Amino acid sequence: DIQMTQSPSSLSASVGDRVTITCRASQSISSYLNWYQQKPGKAPKLLIYAASSLQSGVPSRFSGSGSGTDFTLTISSLQPEDFATYYCQQSYSTLLFTFGPGTKVDIK
Amino acid sequence: EVQLVESGGGLVQPGGSLRLSCAASGFTFSSYEMNWVRQAPGKGLEWVSYISSSGSTIYYADSVKGRFTISRDNAKNSLYLQMNSLRAEDTAVYYCARVTIAYEKGPLYYMDVWGKGTTVTVSS
Repeated sequence: DIQMTQSPSSLSASVGDRVTITCRASQSISSYLNWYQQKPGKAPKLLIYAASSLQSGVPSRFSGSGSGTDFTLTISSLQPEDFATYYCQQSYSTLLFTFGPGTKVDIK
Repeated sequence: EVQLVESGGGLVQPGGSLRLSCAASGFTFSSYEMNWVRQAPGKGLEWVSYISSSGSTIYYADSVKGRFTISRDNAKNSLYLQMNSLRAEDTAVYYCARVTIAYEKGPLYYMDVWGKGTTVTVSS
């Protein structure tokens, strides 16, 4: 089974900061990597698919990169509405839509 | 408006059963694969089950295999999750999610529409 890890598990940042979250797969998954944002009490929201494709309607301050085993989600200038938990998810193996453990972004 | 609305959650005793439903609207339900994803209190997201658009291909997470059954009724634009032999560790918010396939990317599967979730609590 493909295992996903994320780092850091949490971070504190200020509005306007550049934020980078890392996701690592236990084996190569090419670019079969998606990113989701979840706010407390709400359903997850798709941000990025195929490692770097921005979902329609998502602000351009969000970007994704990487391939193989190492991926990053970058928020270029953190906004108040971006404080949330972010999950990566692999779709290399459709037998298991494995999620990473999440990275919580909160206010410094 | 594209929408998914889950229902059927509640309190059930260990060993009991529950059937979740997900009503889809605003898109051609029969053209999309669907997933159930759950989130235990204070925990991360866990994929539970997948069903293809026709219902012919089904996958389950090991944690629910043999106990849960996913199904769909395309005529009723509805997705279901029959949960039997429930355990305390099945306590979670259960989300249904639409799966979109980006064929030009591999194909790559991603979940682009989510319901608000329904809460299942397994406790005596």
